Amino acid sequence: DAKTTQPNSMESNEEEPVHLPCNHSTISGTDYIHWYRQLPSQGPEYVIHGLTSNVNNRMASLAIAEDRKSSTLILHRATLRDAAVYYCITSNTGKLIFGQGTTLQVKP
Amino acid sequence: GAGVSQTPSNKVTEKGKYVELRCDPISGHTALYWYRQSLGQGPEFLIYFQGTGAADDSGLPNDRFFAVRPEGSVSTLKIQRTERGDSAVYLCASSLDPLDEQFFGPGTRLTVL
Repeated sequence: DAKTTQPNSMESNEEEPVHLPCNHSTISGTDYIHWYRQLPSQGPEYVIHGLTSNVNNRMASLAIAEDRKSSTLILHRATLRDAAVYYCITSNTGKLIFGQGTTLQVKP
Repeated sequence: GAGVSQTPSNKVTEKGKYVELRCDPISGHTALYWYRQSLGQGPEFLIYFQGTGAADDSGLPNDRFFAVRPEGSVSTLKIQRTERGDSAVYLCASSLDPLDEQFFGPGTRLTVL
């Protein structure tokens, strides 16, 4: 079973920021927090990952709570191409356990 | 550069038959992963290799499923005596090492009639 909890779906307007939450209350000290997304009819795509500190890359930012029991993926300006299922995963090995993820709809 | 490739892209077989699914990882990636995804579900972990050896095969559902990676590059997922419940998209991914980002292939859609 997935060790994370995410909302089933979220909506956003184009060009607005999106904050996708994830709870991982049973995370271990060595688990990384990974985010992947899956566009329709494609394989999953890496978005970002982190351990303790907040992380930024060209796609998104990852904000990690101080106790590490939750995190938030931030898309700074959503575009229509960001419509996808977003998966939050905790792991300290290569084994990724995907849950149901959050389906993000982006409205023009 | 070339990404992860999987062949065939589609495979239709009959119940009880044997199938092989192939994955070509990104060159130089030591870790290789197999997942499967049923309609409306997230990907389900099957097995991952570090080099030639299976580092974790805890996701293989039963002994009809077997995977190999004899030279530490290409991998083959083998399914014996296929069942209708095996129908899914089989995804392969690779990474430089197990804690790095995984790059996924386009998948093989397996349909068991």
